Amino acid sequence: DAGVTQSPTHLIKTRGQQVTLRCSPKSGHDTVSWYQQALGQGPQFIFQYYEEEERQRGNFPDRFSGHQFPNYSSELNVNALLLGDSALYLCASSLWQDRFYEQYFGPGTRLTVT
Amino acid sequence: AQRVTQPEKLLSVFKGAPVELKCNYSYSGSPELFWYVQYSRQRLQLLLRHISRESIKGFTADLNKGETSFHLKKPFAQEEDSAMYYCALRGGGSQGNLIFGKGTKLSVKP
Repeated sequence: DAGVTQSPTHLIKTRGQQVTLRCSPKSGHDTVSWYQQALGQGPQFIFQYYEEEERQRGNFPDRFSGHQFPNYSSELNVNALLLGDSALYLCASSLWQDRFYEQYFGPGTRLTVT
Repeated sequence: AQRVTQPEKLLSVFKGAPVELKCNYSYSGSPELFWYVQYSRQRLQLLLRHISRESIKGFTADLNKGETSFHLKKPFAQEEDSAMYYCALRGGGSQGNLIFGKGTKLSVKP
């Protein structure tokens, strides 16, 4: 099991463009959460998906949207990119019924907006 | 407001010295707290959680509700402990999102 995988590894976009990031959860996991980690900061929660629905959302604008597919993989979409969206985007997977709520993180996608 | 504070950006100790990484939190309710670690060129991973009361790699952390703290401790630091350490608080909801501190970089010198 490769664990949580994310693609692409790196991405460079221009301000105003749109971007899609992808995540495949760890085998057996059904819940995917997305985090944004700016330089020198801890990860900040964007939203979480379970059963193809957004279950929780952090303090991020509507430009950030997501999707979960029947195979539990997920996408994060960001529209109208701003310079401030430059960050490492982390995907974490977990099992909804896990009372210990252990999240497994992927290696991240580094997004640079110029 | 729910918040996690890690006051030290960088902590440097010598091998064999005791280590304490500080974490304070703000949360109305019963908190669930975690320590995550990121070694060089590796992904973020769970180190320990307060609910399990476990010791992992010699690290322990005790939840002090009076002081709203969850400091990470190890009596004798090893060079392989050098990493970025994040304290995290589980937010509301059945699954709850994780609220992270800014992290402390631990450097253990030989």
